[in-house]
Amino acid sequence: DAGVTQSPTHLIKTRGQQVTLRCSPKSGHDTVSWYQQALGQGPQFIFQYYEEEERQRGNFPDRFSGHQFPNYSSELNVNALLLGDSALYLCASSSRRLGGETQYFGPGTRLLVL
Amino acid sequence: AQSVTQPDIHITVSEGASLELRCNYSYGATPYLFWYVQSPGQGLQLLLKYFSGDTLVQGIKGFEAEFKRSQSSFNLRKPSVHWSDAAEYFCAVGDYKLSFGAGTTVTVRA
Repeated sequence: DAGVTQSPTHLIKTRGQQVTLRCSPKSGHDTVSWYQQALGQGPQFIFQYYEEEERQRGNFPDRFSGHQFPNYSSELNVNALLLGDSALYLCASSSRRLGGETQYFGPGTRLLVL
Repeated sequence: AQSVTQPDIHITVSEGASLELRCNYSYGATPYLFWYVQSPGQGLQLLLKYFSGDTLVQGIKGFEAEFKRSQSSFNLRKPSVHWSDAAEYFCAVGDYKLSFGAGTTVTVRA
């Protein structure tokens, strides 16, 4: 049973560019959440997607956007990159349909903005 | 608002000794509580969770945690630490939106 997968594993961008990160949820899961983990800190909730809609959002600017596809996979897009966007971006999946609050995390994408 | 405090930034423990990591939470209702572990450069692995019922929860890798509502705490314990337990540990609270503490780094000395 495949767990949560994310791509790419590492990414280097320059300020002002745009980036897209991808996530495939654990088999049987229908909900995807995204988190940002800056160095030395705990993860911060960005947003959550369920039934292809953004359901909840954390305190992140509109430069952060996402999408969920019919197969439940998801993308995180960040526009106009800032140096402060450098972080590990974690995707987590769960099953809202089954009433599951437990989130399972992928290995993350490490983004470096120069 | 929901939040988590992990008072200990770094703990060093000898191999074979016991370990306790502290977690205090703030949540408006009955909390869903989690402990995750993160090895360097890796994602988060779920150790255990508490939703309701028995306040002593067993998890993977020999870890357990105790929920104490009166103290708003959910401390993680392990009776005998192995070198492979060296990692960063995060406590989290929430349902569909998790709030994490800043983490506790555990170093295991031989």
